[in-house]
Amino acid sequence: QKEVEQNSGPLSVPEGAIASLNCTYSDRVSQSFFWYRQYSGKSPELIMSIYSNGDKEDGRFTAQLNKASQYVSLLIRDSQPSDSATYLCAVLSGPDSWGKFQFGAGTQVVVTP
Amino acid sequence: GAVVSQHPSRVICKSGTSVKIECRSLDFQATTMFWYRQFPKKSLMLMATSNEGSKATYEQGVEKDKFLINHASLTLSTLTVTSAHPEDSSFYICSAPPPSGEETQYFGPGTRLLVL
Repeated sequence: QKEVEQNSGPLSVPEGAIASLNCTYSDRVSQSFFWYRQYSGKSPELIMSIYSNGDKEDGRFTAQLNKASQYVSLLIRDSQPSDSATYLCAVLSGPDSWGKFQFGAGTQVVVTP
Repeated sequence: GAVVSQHPSRVICKSGTSVKIECRSLDFQATTMFWYRQFPKKSLMLMATSNEGSKATYEQGVEKDKFLINHASLTLSTLTVTSAHPEDSSFYICSAPPPSGEETQYFGPGTRLLVL
C-alpha cells in the first residue's frame, strides 16, 4: 500500500527562524510532489510543487526532493505567526493516478512570537 | 484563479437521514472532480473520482451505495451521504483540476458534516 509519512508535530518554531518539514513516501514510481498548507477547519491550499531532484525556491519557501531516498522536504524561512498551520505532503504516483493524491497526515507548525 | 465552491459549508443531521453536498467549479469546466474525507487530525483520504456523464470510480473500502456521486454537468458534482450515521461525521472536501492542465488540484472549502 502506498504511504506518505510525516512527523505529526507540533513543530514549534520561534518567529523569524527556519521551519523544516520532512516527508517520506513509499511508492518508488511517484513523480509529482506537493506541499499544501491547511488552516484549522479550512481546505488545503497549495504552497509548492516539485517534480525534479534538487531544490525549488518560492519566496520564503524551499522544497527539496530526493527521489533516490524517497524524501521531500519543505523549509520555511523567516517564519511568521501566520505560518502556523498544518502542512500536508501530497504525492502523485504517475499518469494512471492523475488527480489521486496520496496525502500525509500533516505536520502541525506553531510559530511563536 | 480558478475557484471551487462547496455547499453547504456545515450541516448537522439526524442519524438515518441523507445529506447532499454540492461541489461547483465556478469559472471553469471540470470533467473530473475528486471527493476526499478528512477525520480530525488525520490525512485527507480520497473517496472517489467523479466523472461527468459517467459513473464515479470509488476507492477501495468506500461504499458506493452509501456515498452516491452524481456529476451531471461540467461544473457540478454532488456527493450524497445516504442513511448517515455518527461515524460518517467528517470533513468532506472536493477538488477539481485547473483548466491549465497542471497536476495540482483546486480544493473546495470543505463541508463539515455532523451526524447526531
